[in-house]
Amino acid sequence: NAGVTQTPKFQVLKTGQSMTLQCAQDMNHNSMYWYRQDPGMGLRLIYYSASEGTTDKGEVPNGYNVSRLNKREFSLRLESAAPSQTSVYFCASEQGSTNEKLFFGSGTQLSVL
Amino acid sequence: QKEVEQNSGPLSVPEGAIASLNCTYSDRVSQSFFWYRQYSGKSPELIMSIYSNGDKEDGRFTAQLNKASQYVSLLIRDSQPSDSATYLCAVKVDTGGFKTIFGAGTRLFVKA
Repeated sequence: NAGVTQTPKFQVLKTGQSMTLQCAQDMNHNSMYWYRQDPGMGLRLIYYSASEGTTDKGEVPNGYNVSRLNKREFSLRLESAAPSQTSVYFCASEQGSTNEKLFFGSGTQLSVL
Repeated sequence: QKEVEQNSGPLSVPEGAIASLNCTYSDRVSQSFFWYRQYSGKSPELIMSIYSNGDKEDGRFTAQLNKASQYVSLLIRDSQPSDSATYLCAVKVDTGGFKTIFGAGTRLFVKA
């Protein structure tokens, strides 16, 4: 039972490069999320998708785009990476009802030089 | 003002003591409340959830919710060194669809 799978686990980019973080879940969840985590900042919501075909901005969306490709997959794209985007990125999913918990991927450590 | 506020700590308690972690949230349509534990280099994992006012106990953990004061807390009794981690308070809000917002987390150290 894979749960939430994120790729890659580690990535180093140069300023200005682009990349896409991939996330897939096999639990038939409706809602999917992208968070970033910086030291002392907790998890900050970048974008979320309450259902297939919908996406909404979270707390820190600038510099990112997302695609909810289908119910399983939710990708996060950095069009022109900046050092301020150096962080650990977590994808999460949940059924989408009031009392459901989040299931997290293992995270992506991204460094932008 | 951040929607979910926590004291970032660190909070240090001796083994066997009670650790008390606190969280406040802003006036939104907050539906449900969660405490996640995160070990260094790992993903967060759920330890408690609470949806209505009052206390909820699960083993050594007790969550307390006071919606009038917009306050949620986590008590850890008989703290163990293995409880040393970052504890993240999370609030699920209804904005037409649900989204979950986290606080900055409180680092807890339990000294043997």
